[in-house]
Amino acid sequence: QLQLQESGSGLVRPSQTLSLSCAVSGASLSSGFYSWSWIRQPPGKALECIGYIHHSGTTNYKSSLKTRVTMSVDRSKNQFSLSLSFVTAADTAVYYCASRTADGNFDFWGQGTLVTVSS
Amino acid sequence: DIQMTQSPSTLSASVGDRVTITCRASQSIGGWLAWYQQLPGKAPKLLIYKASSLETEVPSRFSGSGSGTEFTLTISSLQPDDFATYYCQQYYSFSTFGQGTKLEIK
Repeated sequence: QLQLQESGSGLVRPSQTLSLSCAVSGASLSSGFYSWSWIRQPPGKALECIGYIHHSGTTNYKSSLKTRVTMSVDRSKNQFSLSLSFVTAADTAVYYCASRTADGNFDFWGQGTLVTVSS
Repeated sequence: DIQMTQSPSTLSASVGDRVTITCRASQSIGGWLAWYQQLPGKAPKLLIYKASSLETEVPSRFSGSGSGTEFTLTISSLQPDDFATYYCQQYYSFSTFGQGTKLEIK
């Protein structure tokens, strides 16, 4: 069974870069079965898919975030990462990492980590 | 972007009730729709994929139907653990979620 665990800074200053990592156990990131995703949820609001990265390294980002998002994979650590630059208060959210099946749904999720953007 | 609209936003019901939540897509998404359950403070849990396929170990009282632009999630007999927020997700084009339906105890 897959397990995912987010880690990273819980407080980021406005205009700085948010950086998170997701450690995966129970599957190799090199597996072709999954792609690896970031999803966020502002307090009291709905879920938003930020994007995902395929085992090949190909990425697919939400169009409105594309200029600020970078995702990468570290196969040696079996983890993947998210960078979101030039953050504002609107980026305050719980950030989840998740495994995305070949069909496109998200079957395993991390517990989530709250990131607050504040000076 | 494909927009997903759920109704109702809030639903009050009692244990044992049959409830239905609707999700509408702004354009046809075929059957590329999933449903998730989110308990307070927890990550979402996949319930249904491909509109009507039940995820492993999800109780059979949950069912999904629909295609194209209109979909439903039905819970046949509500149990205490079912009071949560439910989200639909389209994955025909990238991925977008509905705004959620909060199922609360009447």
